[in-house]
Amino acid sequence: QQQVKQSPQSLIVQKGGISIINCAYENTAFDYFPWYQQFPGKGPALLIAIRPDVSEKKEGRFTISFNKSAKQFSLHIMDSQPGDSATYFCAGDSGGGADGLTFGKGTHLIIQP
Amino acid sequence: NAGVMQNPRHLVRRRGQEARLRCSPMKGHSHVYWYRQLPEEGLKFMVYLQKENIIDESGMPKERFSAEFPKEGPSILRIQQVVRGDSAAYFCASSPLGPQRSYNEQFFGPGTRLTVL
Repeated sequence: QQQVKQSPQSLIVQKGGISIINCAYENTAFDYFPWYQQFPGKGPALLIAIRPDVSEKKEGRFTISFNKSAKQFSLHIMDSQPGDSATYFCAGDSGGGADGLTFGKGTHLIIQP
Repeated sequence: NAGVMQNPRHLVRRRGQEARLRCSPMKGHSHVYWYRQLPEEGLKFMVYLQKENIIDESGMPKERFSAEFPKEGPSILRIQQVVRGDSAAYFCASSPLGPQRSYNEQFFGPGTRLTVL
């Protein structure tokens, strides 16, 4: 599986601020890019996802920005709250999907009150 | 509508024993994926199954690991003769439709934390 590179590894943001997590992918066959949120001891939960035919998708406080030419996408969390403190994973998937999702290594996000 | 269920949640085995992990997909889902997560690492794909078929096992070690998804009952990930390096969290995910759909929305279970002593 080709890589998905995620940064930063950890991030501390003040309450009310904007959290930004970035990912870059190599596999041009990817056509689906989900973000997952994981709390300690829990399984990853699908947060938001985007297809490459749009440049941005917004759901509540969460926004994905997508740059197909640069093969990069990012998650923006507006008005970050302490309850958003978790590990976030980006992923990519090709239309065939037979080899599962390719995940980044994750970002530990801490929102300080 | 119950989510993806996995059991046991925690499993302790001694080196050389067998570990058997179970996964029941969400109702209406017939596609199951298994992933392994090491500490401070992302999830790594292991195997993709449909009912009674292994579709892709390219991420699964060739020896000691096997998976099945029978017509009836949960999907099983079996690790024979476990070694300390098998200690990890194992997650399964289910999908309502296979890769034939245009995107592969997967829903994850809570995981099984395997510790090998």
